[in-house]
Amino acid sequence: GQQVMQIPQYQHVQEGEDFTTYCNSSTTLSNIQWYKQRPGGHPVFLIQLVKSGEVKKQKRLTFQFGEAKKNSSLHITATQTTDVGTYFCADKTGNQFYFGTGTSLTVIP
Amino acid sequence: NAGVTQTPKFQVLKTGQSMTLQCAQDMNHNSMYWYRQDPGMGLRLIYYSASEGTTDKGEVPNGYNVSRLNKREFSLRLESAAPSQTSVYFCASSRDRGPNEQFFGPGTRLTVL
Repeated sequence: GQQVMQIPQYQHVQEGEDFTTYCNSSTTLSNIQWYKQRPGGHPVFLIQLVKSGEVKKQKRLTFQFGEAKKNSSLHITATQTTDVGTYFCADKTGNQFYFGTGTSLTVIP
Repeated sequence: NAGVTQTPKFQVLKTGQSMTLQCAQDMNHNSMYWYRQDPGMGLRLIYYSASEGTTDKGEVPNGYNVSRLNKREFSLRLESAAPSQTSVYFCASSRDRGPNEQFFGPGTRLTVL
């Protein structure tokens, strides 16, 4: 089946530092969605990217979709303790969603 | 609106026991999903239902059955639980068009001894 690889698996940053997580696929992605899961919580939708080369921003979060639609990234500028959690990318192919393994972000105050 | 609700929140089973996880959504979504989440494995799709009356296998369906009882409810059944089914189970629903983002329930934490 579809495989979406996500790196890094873990990231520890000092508060105020930037953070980036990457999502890669060997096949072309139809679209890419990003989710955030707080510790002990459930995944919450952040954004969907559809177009090649698309860039979207949500306050301190910047999402990019690669030109070849085989990779995507989420960048957080000046992390805050509220950014703690695991960030997942997900590809929707047909009726199925394929999630990356996630990047767990720890922010050290 | 309650969104997506799941019951129970926690469950401990012995090997060989059966149980049904319940899920309901009040957003009038056609599509519903069951996932399991294991450490380092992300979310893996067990079964999904694109509409009332239809169900399809996902990535890891073995050992599970599902029922789409009506548009609102989608249940997951473990007929004979095994320790390998110890996991956190999430139900989700989504729109058919537009962003079709998934809305997740709070999860069921299942331990099989």
